[in-house]
Amino acid sequence: EAGVAQSPRYKIIEKRQSVAFWCNPISGHATLYWYQQILGQGPKLLIQFQNNGVVDDSQLPKDRFSAERLKGVDSTLKIQPAKLEDSAVYLCASSFPFPSGRAYEQYFGPGTRLTVT
Amino acid sequence: QQQVKQSPQSLIVQKGGISIINCAYENTAFDYFPWYQQFPGKGPALLIAIRPDVSEKKEGRFTISFNKSAKQFSLHIMDSQPGDSATYFCAARSTGSSNTGKLIFGQGTTLQVKP
Repeated sequence: EAGVAQSPRYKIIEKRQSVAFWCNPISGHATLYWYQQILGQGPKLLIQFQNNGVVDDSQLPKDRFSAERLKGVDSTLKIQPAKLEDSAVYLCASSFPFPSGRAYEQYFGPGTRLTVT
Repeated sequence: QQQVKQSPQSLIVQKGGISIINCAYENTAFDYFPWYQQFPGKGPALLIAIRPDVSEKKEGRFTISFNKSAKQFSLHIMDSQPGDSATYFCAARSTGSSNTGKLIFGQGTTLQVKP
């Protein structure tokens, strides 16, 4: 079974530039998550989709971050404009839909390491 | 605010020893407590998980102990091996007002097992 795919794996940009990350979840997983993991910290949920709809974006800095999930499959997370504090690993995860019994198993992709200079 | 506090921040154990990582939570609106293992350059991978109606769960060398009254849970790695060297995160699934099942992660513990 193919895992969660993410690209690019690494990205270096200057502050005030824009950047986009792509995620392809595991086939059949209706729920998709974007997390931000700052060095030395645990992942923090930015946004959660169930199919096409957003179910939680309470911690997404909406003035600069945006995300979409077209057709309930792939998703894109964008930052515009980037700040130095956005340097982190951006992780995508997917799962079966909550509240199904298997929804607790979240599968993570390898992440995109973003460096903002 | 929902929080999960994890300790220690780092841990060094000799091969064959027992590694113990502790977590504590403040909110009772959690219904599932997983542990994730993360190697450098990789995403976190689910290791083992427990529900609050169970006090202990064991899978191979990995055991979760859960104390509901104290709001604490811990991961024990028996016979620790160098291949276990990784960062470990505890987490708790929220069933709060938004009821989206989101995970709240601890800060992580970097484990080094010396040969």
